[in-house]
Amino acid sequence: ETGVTQTPRHLVMGMTNKKSLKCEQHLGHNAMYWYKQSAKKPLELMFVYNFKEQTENNSVPSRFSPECPNSSHLFLHLHTLQPEDSALYLCASSGKRGLGETQYFGPGTRLLVL
Amino acid sequence: SQQGEEDPQALSIQEGENATMNCSYKTSINNLQWYRQNSGRGLVHLILIRSNEREKHSGRLRVTLDTSKKSSSLLITASRAADTASYFCATDEDYGGSQGNLIFGKGTKLSVKP
Repeated sequence: ETGVTQTPRHLVMGMTNKKSLKCEQHLGHNAMYWYKQSAKKPLELMFVYNFKEQTENNSVPSRFSPECPNSSHLFLHLHTLQPEDSALYLCASSGKRGLGETQYFGPGTRLLVL
Repeated sequence: SQQGEEDPQALSIQEGENATMNCSYKTSINNLQWYRQNSGRGLVHLILIRSNEREKHSGRLRVTLDTSKKSSSLLITASRAADTASYFCATDEDYGGSQGNLIFGKGTKLSVKP
């Protein structure tokens, strides 16, 4: 897990708050991903960045806004979230985007929206 | 899109026993991966098997792939309490702009009792 770090590890926010999740990878990878993991549901891919360019937005509501300033850092900006957005948010990276690539995950941010 | 479905949803065994988890998917794949997740943490890659492979080993792990049945199994031999975790299979998408995206199942929750 030390290859991909995420901060904060836990976050409680009200529906009117604005917060950001941060992900950093120290593996020299070029692709980064945001996933949402809710109870009893499969991992949901949210966003994909490849060489700093967003290549996929998986129909994610606009209250989630990703930012990738460089290949090592990925942010997820949150605003006016809903209680159903409470979940574990996982960041992952891979050497590049493509078939057969192993993804390396961070420990996740446990988000609770009140 | 295709999705891995693990079976069983939960499995409880004694230390030293073998644990077998199954995964089924819906369409053709290039690769299938297995990941492990300790409670509330990120996923850790275990093993990747390509569509032209039938069996692969890594330590106490044995993965099989049957593309005619669109299924895979993960066998953990001589289980340990530390193997307690959720196990996910992930298949890759191979079409259009989604090439390389991983589709995860809901996972099998394994509990190994000392």
